[in-house]
Amino acid sequence: SAVISQKPSRDICQRGTSLTIQCQVDSQVTMMFWYRQQPGQSLTLIATANQGSEATYESGFVIDKFPISRPNLTFSTLTVSNMSPEDSSIYLCSVELGRSTQNIQYFGAGTRLSVL
Amino acid sequence: EDKVVQSPLSLVVHEGDTVTLNCSYEVTNFRSLLWYKQEKKAPTFLFMLTSSGIEKKSGRLSSILDKKELFSILNITATQTGDSAVYLCAPAGGTSYGKLTFGQGTILTVHP
Repeated sequence: SAVISQKPSRDICQRGTSLTIQCQVDSQVTMMFWYRQQPGQSLTLIATANQGSEATYESGFVIDKFPISRPNLTFSTLTVSNMSPEDSSIYLCSVELGRSTQNIQYFGAGTRLSVL
Repeated sequence: EDKVVQSPLSLVVHEGDTVTLNCSYEVTNFRSLLWYKQEKKAPTFLFMLTSSGIEKKSGRLSSILDKKELFSILNITATQTGDSAVYLCAPAGGTSYGKLTFGQGTILTVHP
C-alpha cells in the first residue's frame, strides 16, 4: 500500500468561500482520484488527475467548481469553489499504485467539510 | 450507465454470527471487483476479485465472484464488534484505467 496524507482533516467554511484540499503520497503514482461522499451516501468520483495532463471530470462535476492541480507524481489538490451548504461532504483522494496492484485504489483519511 | 446494488442495506447481528453481504453489478468493460471496509472516513481495501469461482480469504473474511451472473458475496464468520462498519462493493470498469463505481454499501452492526 502507500501512505496518503490528506489535509485538512476537517473544516467549517462560510458559503461563498473556497477551500483547497491537499493530497500527498509517499511514492510516485500515475493515477490519483478525487471522490465526494455526501452524508449517508456512497462515494462518487469527481475527477481523475494524471500528472502532466488536465483532470478528467465525471458527469455532473465541472472544472470551475472543482479545479484540480497535479503538479508532480506525489501531490494533488482539489479546490471546492464558491461553496454552498450542499457542498458539505467528505472529500477523499485515492491513488492507484501501479501494474502489480492495478485497479486497487488506496484512500487518504478524507476531509470532512461543513459549509454554513 | 454503470450500476451497483448491494444488499442488505443494513444488518444487525450478535458476536459470533456469520453474515453474507451481496453485490450485483452492471459495468462496462468489467475488469475486477473490489471490496472495501469503511469505518470512519477512509475506505480500507479488503479484496480484489478478477476470476469467477475462486474464493479469496483473509482470516474470517472471504469473498467470491460470479462473472456470469454478475454478482459477488462477502462472507464474515464469527463476527466481532470490530467488524462493525460499512462494507462497499466497487467493480472496476472502463477502457484506459479501472474506474471504480461504488455501491451504496451495507451497514453492518455487530452487538456484543
